[in-house]
Amino acid sequence: KAGVTQTPRYLIKTRGQQVTLSCSPISGHRSVSWYQQTPGQGLQFLFEYFSETQRNKGNFPGRFSGRQFSNSRSEMNVSTLELGDSALYLCASSLGGSAEQYFGPGTRLTVT
Amino acid sequence: KNQVEQSPQSLIILEGKNCTLQCNYTVSPFSNLRWYKQDTGRGPVSLTIMTFSENTKSNGRYTATLDADTKQSSLHITASQLSDSASYICVVTLNYGGSQGNLIFGKGTKLSVKP
Repeated sequence: KAGVTQTPRYLIKTRGQQVTLSCSPISGHRSVSWYQQTPGQGLQFLFEYFSETQRNKGNFPGRFSGRQFSNSRSEMNVSTLELGDSALYLCASSLGGSAEQYFGPGTRLTVT
Repeated sequence: KNQVEQSPQSLIILEGKNCTLQCNYTVSPFSNLRWYKQDTGRGPVSLTIMTFSENTKSNGRYTATLDADTKQSSLHITASQLSDSASYICVVTLNYGGSQGNLIFGKGTKLSVKP
């Protein structure tokens, strides 16, 4: 079974721009969660989608948004990028609930 | 406040030696505790998951322990190898059920194994 894939793997953007990251979950997994990871804060929960509905949202500003498609693939969008948005963005998929999560390799976003 | 604290922040050991990583949590209500290994530039990979009633769980050279009374967990690595160099993240799940948003992450311990 293929694992969780994320594209792109690396991205460089400038302040004020917007970015869209993509995540393809493991086949059969309907839950997709997004996390931001920085050296200082560790992993922080952004949001979770299940069957195209946002189930839970972390404590991030409205500039961070996401969606999930009918095939469970998910996208995350960050608008009006700030320097502090530079981080590794991880996507994880699971069968749902608090079932075991499987993480993708992440997208390394650098904002200059 | 629900928190997961890990120690040490970083650790350097020689290949072949054993080491123990610590995780203290103040999370309630508790559902389970997981240890993840994260190699540089990769996503975390689950090592063990323990529920309230489990004291010890092993995965090869990795052994996790859980003391639910003192709210402490440890991850013991036996006969370390160079490939063990990674960050180890402790994650506690709140028992509200039904969402991955109920996970509380520690900041991790960065382990370096030197030849």
